[in-house]
Amino acid sequence: QSVLTQPPSVSGAPGQRVTISCTGSSSNIGAGYDVHWYQQLPGTAPKLIIYGNSNRPSGVPDRFSGSKSGTSASLAITGLQAEDEADYYCQSYDSSLSGSIFGGGTKLTVL
Amino acid sequence: QVQLVQSGAEVKKPGASVKVSCKASGYTFTSYGISWVRQAPGQGLEWMGWISAYNGNTNYAQKLQGRVTMTTDTSTSTAYMELRSLRSDDTAVYYCARDPSAYYYDSSGYSLYWGQGTLVTVSS
Repeated sequence: QSVLTQPPSVSGAPGQRVTISCTGSSSNIGAGYDVHWYQQLPGTAPKLIIYGNSNRPSGVPDRFSGSKSGTSASLAITGLQAEDEADYYCQSYDSSLSGSIFGGGTKLTVL
Repeated sequence: QVQLVQSGAEVKKPGASVKVSCKASGYTFTSYGISWVRQAPGQGLEWMGWISAYNGNTNYAQKLQGRVTMTTDTSTSTAYMELRSLRSDDTAVYYCARDPSAYYYDSSGYSLYWGQGTLVTVSS
């Protein structure tokens, strides 16, 4: 059981918008700690796509956006493309564990 | 360009130890930290801990305290992760990743650059 809860899977048709939630608690997201998002294609290392809740590293398309409110964060992907099909993970810090934590991951399927 | 190159796959017996290396290039090694993350087959990411390449400060995941040791060699810009008393559920791909926390563990840490991963298989 991950401390950060993500839906196991989401899906959408090409061109559509999907969102992936990341629900935490008062010891992590709710305490104000930043949330980061990673995309992982099969057999490859994770790739940072959002850092500091809503910032995109250079080279990440603006179709990807992040937000945070209360004890949750969300990743939104607009204009869905086949190449977006991957696993997505949120990451934050937990004061009770005194370390970083990941969500359980969400598999995005492009229909 | 920033690169993190990890050592090759390992097969270990239960109870043994493994030491994975991560050689950094393309940046000033001591200006960043290194985090270690593992991923069991078909499972999610698990943060293992962090080490400062500047002063050797560490922050280990509570779950692994006492079994894991992270070190660095600044002369070769290489980070190491040693895991002892291996069990079958330690079978995973182990990743190193550059962390912006240079001196002490920053709760806002994230990883832009990752190694290619090292598969560690624990089997009798």
